Parts: sequence; C-alpha cells; structure tokens
Amino acid sequence: GENVEQHPSTLSVQEGDSAVIKCTYSDSASNYFPWYKQELGKGPQLIIDIRSNVGEKKDQRIAVTLNKTAKHFSLHITETQPEDSAVYFCAARGSNSGYALNFGKGTSLLVTP
Amino acid sequence: ETGVTQTPRHLVMGMTNKKSLKCEQHLGHNAMYWYKQSAKKPLELMFVYSLEERVENNSVPSRFSPECPNSSHLFLHLHTLQPEDSALYLCASSQEPSLAGELFFGEGSRLTVL
Repeated sequence: GENVEQHPSTLSVQEGDSAVIKCTYSDSASNYFPWYKQELGKGPQLIIDIRSNVGEKKDQRIAVTLNKTAKHFSLHITETQPEDSAVYFCAARGSNSGYALNFGKGTSLLVTP
Repeated sequence: ETGVTQTPRHLVMGMTNKKSLKCEQHLGHNAMYWYKQSAKKPLELMFVYSLEERVENNSVPSRFSPECPNSSHLFLHLHTLQPEDSALYLCASSQEPSLAGELFFGEGSRLTVL
C-alpha cells in the first residue's frame, strides 16, 4: 500500500522566517496530496491541497509543490507567525487506497517570537 | 467550529467496561469516518461509512464496533479494551468517500484505558 514519509518531525523557526516540510510517497499513481494543520486540543484542519495534474499551488503565505517524478511534495510557509505553531500532516491518496488517505507522522512546528 | 461534534471529549475506562463514543456532523455530508491518532504514529483509518453503509473496515479488532444509524451520526462502541487502545479517536466527514476531497474532523475523544 501507499507509504508516506514526512520530515522533519520537529521544526523550530523564528517569527518571520520560512518553514518547509517535506513528504515522500511510494505509489506513483497517487493523485491527491492534502496538508492538514492540527492545533493543540483540536482536530486536523485542511489548509491546502494539490492534485497530480498541478505542480504548485499557493494560498497567501502557504504553498505546496509537487514533484511527481521524484514522488515528493512540500509545504512552504513564509513570514511565519506564532499562530502557525501546530502539528502539520501531509497525506497522499493512492490508486489502491480505497477510501483511505495515508498520512505522514506529522511535523511539530514551533514559531518563536 | 468545524461542523463535526464529538462526545465525550475525554473518557477513562477499565478494561472490562463498555462505553461509546458519539459523533454528529451538521454539514450534510454523505460519508463519515473513524480515525485513531496515537503519539508518533500516522493517523490510522478505522472505519468508513457511506450513506450509513460500512464501506471499509481496516482490520480493526472486534472490541471496536461502529454504528451509523443515519448519515449525520456515527458511534464507536468500545468493550474489553486494552491499555494500548488509549489514543485520540477522531471522527471525520466528507461529501463523498470515493472522491479526493476535504475531510472535516471533530476535536476528538481522548480515551484512556486503565
């Protein structure tokens, strides 16, 4: 089945700096790649997603890039703010995943003032 | 407020107890899910329901028993659990299970098994 690896597991940046989180996936037929943000005491919330027919997508300070050849995708957060501190999960939907999204283990991002 | 409400938020139970987790979605979605979230592990899909019919069961032990009486409500019945079942149980909903679309998660039920 689909295997999603996510790095780093923890990331600390200064406010205003950029943060990058990377994920790799194993199923070359995967076609949907969402990113979820989970704040303390809350459930994950979708922040951005990308489909396999697009190489990059941007929404204000966040962007996702997809490299299908290398089978990896990345989340980029620019001008980080303390409220960006949370756990971020990448996920991939493989062709044989049925109804399942396969999630990475998460990255705990800390933005220090 | 995501439109998905889970109760209780916290639950402590002994291994011989029977309890239930409840989930309600107010989004008019057709699919509902149970996920298990353990520390340092990826989110694990447990069950998927589409229009009240179970469409996926990810090799979950029978001590977890789901119930979906209608498209807005989902239950997870728990009995004779093990300490390793302690985790955050997340309910989610989506428009359709077979499409690649957004999952809307509840805030979770934190379960501790003594």
